[in-house]
Amino acid sequence: EDQVTQSPEALRLQEGESSSLNCSYTVSGLRGLFWYRQDPGKGPEFLFTLYSAGEEKEKERLKATLTKKESFLHITAPKPEDSATYLCAVQAGDYKLSFGAGTTVTVRA
Amino acid sequence: ETGVTQSPTHLIKTRGQQVTLRCSSQSGHNTVSWYQQALGQGPQFIFQYYREEENGRGNFPPRFSGLQFPNYSSELNVNALELDDSALYLCASSKTGPGRELFFGEGSRLTVL
Repeated sequence: EDQVTQSPEALRLQEGESSSLNCSYTVSGLRGLFWYRQDPGKGPEFLFTLYSAGEEKEKERLKATLTKKESFLHITAPKPEDSATYLCAVQAGDYKLSFGAGTTVTVRA
Repeated sequence: ETGVTQSPTHLIKTRGQQVTLRCSSQSGHNTVSWYQQALGQGPQFIFQYYREEENGRGNFPPRFSGLQFPNYSSELNVNALELDDSALYLCASSKTGPGRELFFGEGSRLTVL
């Protein structure tokens, strides 16, 4: 069964203090690794898809990387509006997404 | 481009009742899937529909059922509600094929008393 573990559970940052979130996964036949952002009471908002080890993608202050066993989401010089829960998910041959529990990021001004 | 829309946004039911949740897919998407998200947890896959047929199901009992219509909109039905069914129910649409991004609606918050 696909397994996704995210760490840390919660992260408190000062504005401008860069950090990284980790997503470790076990899956047979990875079709894609996805990162989503979720604000309280809202649906997940798509950020990135990574397909193969070594791939990197960037969007504003966020950069996602992928190895054969884990993915990192780097947040560079975060702002208070980057406060959210970040979800990692993997997709295998049956197309469903298996999510981790998320990392809740709080950025203080 | 219209995104994924869900209704209702909030609802309260009592144990044993039945509920129907509705979802309109994003324009151009032909696959719909439903997820259950309990408080503080990641979304859990319920099932997926393509061409009006269920083509994948997670570890949910048969009292969770669904439909997909010719216009790719969808319904999630839950019978005999239990307290543990209280959660945010998320609908996601995508184009068909592996590795395709899923785009989520804002969810329907169900509370079972």
